[in-house]
Amino acid sequence: EAGVVQSPRYKIIEKKQPVAFWCNPISGHNTLYWYLQNLGQGPELLIRYENEEAVDDSQLPKDRFSAERLKGVDSTLKIQPAELGDSAVYLCASSLDHRGTDTQYFGPGTRLTVL
Amino acid sequence: AQKVTQAQTEISVVEKEDVTLDCVYETRDTTYYLFWYKQPPSGELVFLIRRNSFDEQNEISGRYSWNFQKSTSSFNFTITASQVVDSAVYFCALSEDSGGYQKVTFGTGTKLQVIP
Repeated sequence: EAGVVQSPRYKIIEKKQPVAFWCNPISGHNTLYWYLQNLGQGPELLIRYENEEAVDDSQLPKDRFSAERLKGVDSTLKIQPAELGDSAVYLCASSLDHRGTDTQYFGPGTRLTVL
Repeated sequence: AQKVTQAQTEISVVEKEDVTLDCVYETRDTTYYLFWYKQPPSGELVFLIRRNSFDEQNEISGRYSWNFQKSTSSFNFTITASQVVDSAVYFCALSEDSGGYQKVTFGTGTKLQVIP
């Protein structure tokens, strides 16, 4: 069974440029998560989707970040415009559903560098 | 206050030594879940174990073992006879109910270096 797929793996952009990350969850997983991981820190939730509905986006900086999960499968996270402080690893995870019993499985992440 | 505390930032051991990674959590929920993930240099978080709050039995999986103690709010992870491939950052995480959905809080991680 394929795991969570993310692309690109690495992205280098200049500040004020837009950037987008793509995630394809494990087949059959209804819940999808985007996390931000700064160097030396644990992942922090940005947004969580139940199918195509964003059920928790309280930590998403909505002035520059947006996300979508059309058709409830793969998802895109966008930053526009990017700032120097956005340099981090963006992780996508999925789980069968939202219950606490379900384990989140993570993709390899996208390492973003903003110059 | 941090909900998940991993006080050990970095640990170095020589291959074949045993090592224990500490995790202390804080929650008011009676039902919750605890996890350990491994993050090798490649970056992907690899799921290792999930434990629910009602199951305090220790678990052993090969060279890995976990000690869950509710009395001290700890969920420690021991690697026996460490190997170079165990070198990674290990994260402890707590899952609590948040309005009907699970909310997972990660610790800051412990970087383990196993020296050959």
